[in-house]
Amino acid sequence: AQSVTQPDIHITVSEGASLELRCNYSYGATPYLFWYVQSPGQGLQLLLKYFSGDTLVQGIKGFEAEFKRSQSSFNLRKPSVHWSDAAEYFCAVGRMDSNYQLIWGAGTKLIIKP
Amino acid sequence: GAGVSQSPSNKVTEKGKDVELRCDPISGHTALYWYRQRLGQGLEFLIYFQGNSAPDKSGLPSDRFSAERTGESVSTLTIQRTQQEDSAVYLCASSLQGAAEAFFGQGTRLTVV
Repeated sequence: AQSVTQPDIHITVSEGASLELRCNYSYGATPYLFWYVQSPGQGLQLLLKYFSGDTLVQGIKGFEAEFKRSQSSFNLRKPSVHWSDAAEYFCAVGRMDSNYQLIWGAGTKLIIKP
Repeated sequence: GAGVSQSPSNKVTEKGKDVELRCDPISGHTALYWYRQRLGQGLEFLIYFQGNSAPDKSGLPSDRFSAERTGESVSTLTIQRTQQEDSAVYLCASSLQGAAEAFFGQGTRLTVV
């Protein structure tokens, strides 16, 4: 069965430091991959998505993610985090048998130290 | 409207009571999704509406759960005879088509006591 794993439940980084959030998936073909952010009191917002082509994807708010087929990973990165980036981040993969269902990771909560 | 609107934002109900959650999608979006988000977990797909097609109800966890949508407008998710394990945030999303560009509401936090 398809699955998405976000190994880190919480990550704490200092403001201005770099960030990498991990996401691993199980899939039989090239997946559709997504990262969403959920800020306190706000709905989920799409940060970026990968369908095909260039494996380094740029998103909003200065985030990027790299699809690595050999590692079945789609890690999210940001060179320098801001206090406003404190939120929960979800990785998701499109289901093989559906063009509208996503399988979601459990999320990683990002905490920013001043 | 400007975004997906859900109401109420919070609901506390007694075990055994029925609840109705409302979702008002972005105007013109033909696709509408309901998800459940339990504490510390990812989103669970519940149901999908696409235009006038038959909805995909494959994610509904029991027959206590049902949802309706009239055309491309408001949707309601109803939970009958609520149980404590129904406590979660219920999220609604809408899109023009498919899941790639879904826009989410802020959710309804349901607490069953």
